[in-house]
Amino acid sequence: EVQLVESGGGLVQPGTSLKVSCVASGFTFSDYWMSWVRQTPGKTMEWIGKIKYDGSQTNYAPSLKNRFKISRDNAKSTLHLLMTNVKSEDTATYYCTMGAYFDNWGQGVMVTVSS
Amino acid sequence: DIQMTQSPSSLPASLGDRVTITCRTSQDIGNYLRWFQQKPGKSPRLMIYGATNLAKGVPSRFSGSRSGSDYSLTINSLESEDMAIYYCLQYNEYPFTFGSGTKLEIK
Repeated sequence: EVQLVESGGGLVQPGTSLKVSCVASGFTFSDYWMSWVRQTPGKTMEWIGKIKYDGSQTNYAPSLKNRFKISRDNAKSTLHLLMTNVKSEDTATYYCTMGAYFDNWGQGVMVTVSS
Repeated sequence: DIQMTQSPSSLPASLGDRVTITCRTSQDIGNYLRWFQQKPGKSPRLMIYGATNLAKGVPSRFSGSRSGSDYSLTINSLESEDMAIYYCLQYNEYPFTFGSGTKLEIK
């Protein structure tokens, strides 16, 4: 069974950085593209980006590419999302998803940006 | 960016009804469209891929179709477990974009 478990969320101050992670199990992590999607408190869904199975390629939403970075550690079956210079509009639930087109989703991790 | 105009935003329906949710795309996306179901407090679940293909484990009362730039999700004989928010997604072009969601609720 595919399992994706996110961690690292919480309350952060504007202008700071935060890294959220996702540990995968139940499939061969290094064979799959992985993606991040976020959902605002108002339920709007937004694609953040994706990373190739070997980490050699990433694609990002243009509005986020200057501040967000996706990486992975295949040895640990772990996906990361580094968010820098966070803003109040980054407040959302962040989902780790399996595949380039979101075949399976984690339970999500809440990030609140507020002073 | 490709705009996904999803309608209706809210859909009251009765058990046993046949309901249809639609997403209209601002540009051609081929059949690169997916539908997701999100139940309260849960993560989204893939329901339909490639506009018309049922994902693994999805009941056969769900179906997807396309007419020009209109993509539809139809649920035949609505059951209580189908009450959820449904989202469409286009993955033909970056950035991938979602519809605004349709909340399906019991009338």
